[in-house]
Amino acid sequence: QKEVEQDPGPLSVPEGAIVSLNCTYSNSAFQYFMWYRQYSRKGPELLMYTYSSGNKEDGRFTAQVDKSSKYISLFIRDSQPSDSATYLCAMSAPYGGATNKLIFGTGTLLAVQP
Amino acid sequence: DAGVIQSPRHEVTEMGQEVTLRCKPISGHNSLFWYRQTMMRGLELLIYFNNNVPIDDSGMPEDRFSAKMPNASFSTLKIQPSEPRDSAVYFCASSSSGTSVLSRYFGPGTRLTVT
Repeated sequence: QKEVEQDPGPLSVPEGAIVSLNCTYSNSAFQYFMWYRQYSRKGPELLMYTYSSGNKEDGRFTAQVDKSSKYISLFIRDSQPSDSATYLCAMSAPYGGATNKLIFGTGTLLAVQP
Repeated sequence: DAGVIQSPRHEVTEMGQEVTLRCKPISGHNSLFWYRQTMMRGLELLIYFNNNVPIDDSGMPEDRFSAKMPNASFSTLKIQPSEPRDSAVYFCASSSSGTSVLSRYFGPGTRLTVT
């Protein structure tokens, strides 16, 4: 079993829809939870991160962490064609500095249709 | 800032040949990471350096892979001999211990095809 599981999609939605992207994990030591966005033929870029449980909102994006269920989500409101990309979740256990190892999901491909 | 620079962007080579991928991290960043991305396995950490020193190479698949960081502004990932199963996109990323530990600044990647 992988430490982080993510549905690869593809997920196709009409413009303006609410998108829900999810990951599950097995390692209870994970404390940092991140979402990266990767456009086609580009490197991933950090979109949002949360520490431990709870919600975090940034514009149209909301990240949620449910540690009891080992489940994290990214919601995109009023989705736009420019949101079309692969979204990767990533997680880390805190053992210091920039050398924390990030464990990535395989990514979910999202297509927002105009 | 130019961001993380990788070269070449595309590499096509024949099985058995040596392949060298290059990376220039963001100036001032003291951690450097090499990742490999495939459809089946996603993004996997191969090795990371802190202050030019390899800290963890447990993700390097086998002895055919080697990585060096001779100075703070340059790193190489070498595959010798290459095999078709090495075909993937290889990313270099850098970060700074002075910023968020979660920030990985990725380069554009090198798409490697081994025939």
